Amino acid sequence: DQQVKQNSPSLSVQEGRISILNCDYTNSMFDYFLWYKKYPAEGPTFLISISSIKDKNEDGRFTVFLNKSAKHLSLHIVPSQPGDSAVYFCAASAQGGSEKLVFGKGTKLTVNP
Amino acid sequence: DAEITQSPRHKITETGRQVTLACHQTWNHNNMFWYRQDLGHGLRLIHYSYGVQDTNKGEVSDGYSVSRSNTEDLPLTLESAASSQTSVYFCASSDPGTSYEQYFGPGTRLTVT
Repeated sequence: DQQVKQNSPSLSVQEGRISILNCDYTNSMFDYFLWYKKYPAEGPTFLISISSIKDKNEDGRFTVFLNKSAKHLSLHIVPSQPGDSAVYFCAASAQGGSEKLVFGKGTKLTVNP
Repeated sequence: DAEITQSPRHKITETGRQVTLACHQTWNHNNMFWYRQDLGHGLRLIHYSYGVQDTNKGEVSDGYSVSRSNTEDLPLTLESAASSQTSVYFCASSDPGTSYEQYFGPGTRLTVT
């Protein structure tokens, strides 16, 4: 049973527009969420995170929104740039647990010039 | 600068052979993790360790083993390689109690023929 779901395998947007990547989770024990970015032939790199005590966290062009009642989070990238083209993974962890991360399958974002 | 390295970056082996993938981190992190990435599955946890002499099974541990004799290294061993273990393998580390962010290595692409 997949606990972290990224239902869109791919997303294509125009440079300068907003990119919205979505993630749903089923485990109510998850209370910390992270987004990772991965370029081909490289390891994933941490992008932004959010604790369940917040509903929004912003870092430059990247904002993550958390809707706990819907068990849904989203990553907004504004404005999108061609260098943002990568695979984005959503991950979740349960505090007080094992510090393991559970990852979604990823969404491949393509930003067209 | 602190880093996490993996070797080899590419490996081709035959079915039935024992293979060991190396992971070395200079962050001095107690937590270390091994994942595999496959198309359609995202990142799946194989084994993890919270410190020297500690090892734990992850979601897809069958056919794999790890050992932790020091803080810096967590080698992953495939006891008898199978074609189903053809994948890209990532090692990661994190600092317990301060952040759930995991730092990833560049990955090892393993092909079992």
